[in-house]
Amino acid sequence: EAGVTQSPTHLIKTRGQQVTLRCSPISGHTSVYWYQQALGLGLQFLLWYDEGEERNRGNFPPRFSGRQFPNYSSELNVNALELEDSALYLCASSLDGQGRGNEQFFGPGTRLTVL
Amino acid sequence: QQQVKQSPQSLIVQKGGISIINCAYENTAFDYFPWYQQFPGKGPALLIAIRPDVSEKKEGRFTISFNKSAKQFSLHIMDSQPGDSATYFCAASIRGRGSNYKLTFGKGTLLTVNP
Repeated sequence: EAGVTQSPTHLIKTRGQQVTLRCSPISGHTSVYWYQQALGLGLQFLLWYDEGEERNRGNFPPRFSGRQFPNYSSELNVNALELEDSALYLCASSLDGQGRGNEQFFGPGTRLTVL
Repeated sequence: QQQVKQSPQSLIVQKGGISIINCAYENTAFDYFPWYQQFPGKGPALLIAIRPDVSEKKEGRFTISFNKSAKQFSLHIMDSQPGDSATYFCAASIRGRGSNYKLTFGKGTLLTVNP
């Protein structure tokens, strides 16, 4: 069974640009979570999507947004990039958002560097 | 406010020894406590998880001990091997229906197992 996949693996952008990161959950999983892993800050919750809807977001500015598609894949958009957005962006999926087996399984991440 | 505090930041253990990583949480609503293992350049991998209705869970060489009254839980790695060298994260979430299931992570422990 394929795990969570993310693309691209690496990205280099400059300040002010916009970026889109993509995630495909494990087959059969309907919930997708996004986390930011910045150096020295650990893993921080960004967004949660379930059944195509945004269910919750962490303490991040509105320039971080995303969506979930009918096939449960998801994308994370970051506008007006700032230097401190440089981080590993991790996507995780779980079986669903109803408490039935919601262990979260992570993808390999997208390493974003903002210059 | 750091809701999950993890210690130590780094740990060096000899091959065959016991590695112990501790976490303490503040939110008494947390009811799911997973541990993740992360190798450089990879996403976190779910290692073992526990719910507060049990005090200990063992899977192979990995054991979680849970102390609800003290709001603490720990990971014990028995017979530590060089291949266990990685960063370990504890986490906590609320699993009840209607919750957001987001994982709140500790800052991580870099484990080095010397041969």
